[in-house]
Amino acid sequence: EVQLVESGGGLVKAGGSLTLSCAASGFTFSSYTLDWVRQTPGKGLEWVSSISSGSDYIYYVDSVKGRFTVSRDNAKNAMYLQMNSLSAEDTAVYYCVRAWGAPPSFFDYWGRGTLVTVSS
Amino acid sequence: SYVLTQPPSVSVAPGKAARITCGGNNIGSKSVHWYQQKPGQAPVLVIYNDSDRPSGIPVRFSGSNFGNTATLTISRVEAGDEADYYCQVWDASSDHWVFGGGTKVTVL
Repeated sequence: EVQLVESGGGLVKAGGSLTLSCAASGFTFSSYTLDWVRQTPGKGLEWVSSISSGSDYIYYVDSVKGRFTVSRDNAKNAMYLQMNSLSAEDTAVYYCVRAWGAPPSFFDYWGRGTLVTVSS
Repeated sequence: SYVLTQPPSVSVAPGKAARITCGGNNIGSKSVHWYQQKPGQAPVLVIYNDSDRPSGIPVRFSGSNFGNTATLTISRVEAGDEADYYCQVWDASSDHWVFGGGTKVTVL
């Protein structure tokens, strides 16, 4: 069974940093592109970042470029999102997502999400 | 940047069809994916590549994509279909995934 479990969320002050982790199981981790998608409470979905299976291709939404860094460790079946210079606009539930393939392939599995709250 | 436009809400009586649109410039040239999200849960893929259904998704869910509009149709709507629905495309010109703003489906 495919499982994606996020961790590392919490309360952080504006300007601070946080690192999210995504632990994966139930599939060949090193073969899949992974993404981060966030959702402000009560609002819609926003794609944040994508990292290819071998970390060859990395993409970010413009609003986090230069502040967020996505990485993965295929030996540990884990993906990370280092978030710096956080602001209130970054407050959201962050989902770890598996993509069936490279873009434009769909997202077939989602984690339950981890909540990041940035206080001003 | 590429923009996807969805109606904020759609209301439908049980047993009727609900149609959720997703508008975008020449969206017919892109692959559109649709997700269902119920309160307190993560999104679930219901349609991929415009009109394909993942295993386990009822045949009542179908999709189409022509011109500037993609459509998710839920036939014979049931109370359990109440949820938010999001369309998604890959914008190759910016290397960005784009989601529509979401549509809340209410079963009357």
